Amino acid sequence: QMQLQQSGPGLVRPSETLSLTCTVSSGSITKNNYYWGWIRQPPGKGLEWIGNIYYSGSTYSNPSLKSRVTISVDTSKNQFSLSLTSVAAADTAVYYCASVTMIRGAPAFFDYWGQGTLVTVSS
Amino acid sequence: DMQMTQSPSTLSAAVGDRVSITCRASQNIRSWLAWYQQKPGKAPKLLIYEASSLQSGVPSRFSGSGSGTEFTLTISSLQPDDFATYYCQQYNTYSGTFGQGTKVEIK
Repeated sequence: QMQLQQSGPGLVRPSETLSLTCTVSSGSITKNNYYWGWIRQPPGKGLEWIGNIYYSGSTYSNPSLKSRVTISVDTSKNQFSLSLTSVAAADTAVYYCASVTMIRGAPAFFDYWGQGTLVTVSS
Repeated sequence: DMQMTQSPSTLSAAVGDRVSITCRASQNIRSWLAWYQQKPGKAPKLLIYEASSLQSGVPSRFSGSGSGTEFTLTISSLQPDDFATYYCQQYNTYSGTFGQGTKVEIK
């Protein structure tokens, strides 16, 4: 069964950049039928999709975050990463990485999830 | 922009009850809909995909139905382990828009 392990700091200062990494084990990040995604959840609120990446580097991002989001992949390390610039208190959330099954050649549903990382934006 | 609206926001039910949660899409998404269960402090768990396909290992008391713009998640006989928050998610577009969630509470 695929496993995803997240890493990264739990505290980021306002206006700085949030960076998280997700390492995929028990499976290759270059699997043909998977995208890799990021989702976040502010405390006490619902889920918000951030973006997805294919191992080739093709990405899709939430339009509301697109100008601040970079998602990248490192196939040599079986990892993918999230970078969110110019963070503010509203970016405080639990961030999840997930595998994204492909349907019709496009990202579809999230089947395996990382453990989640609470990132607090505060000085 | 695609919008996903769930109802109700909160549902109170007893063990053994049949419960249903509705998810409405602002545009036709055919059958490209998934349902997730989330418990406090845990990552969401995939229950249903393609509107009605049960994910491997998910109990058969969970079922999904619908197409187009209206979808339903049904739990045929609510078990203690089912008290949680449920989310729908569309994947008709290249985005992964979620509904706002439905919390199933103990009555």
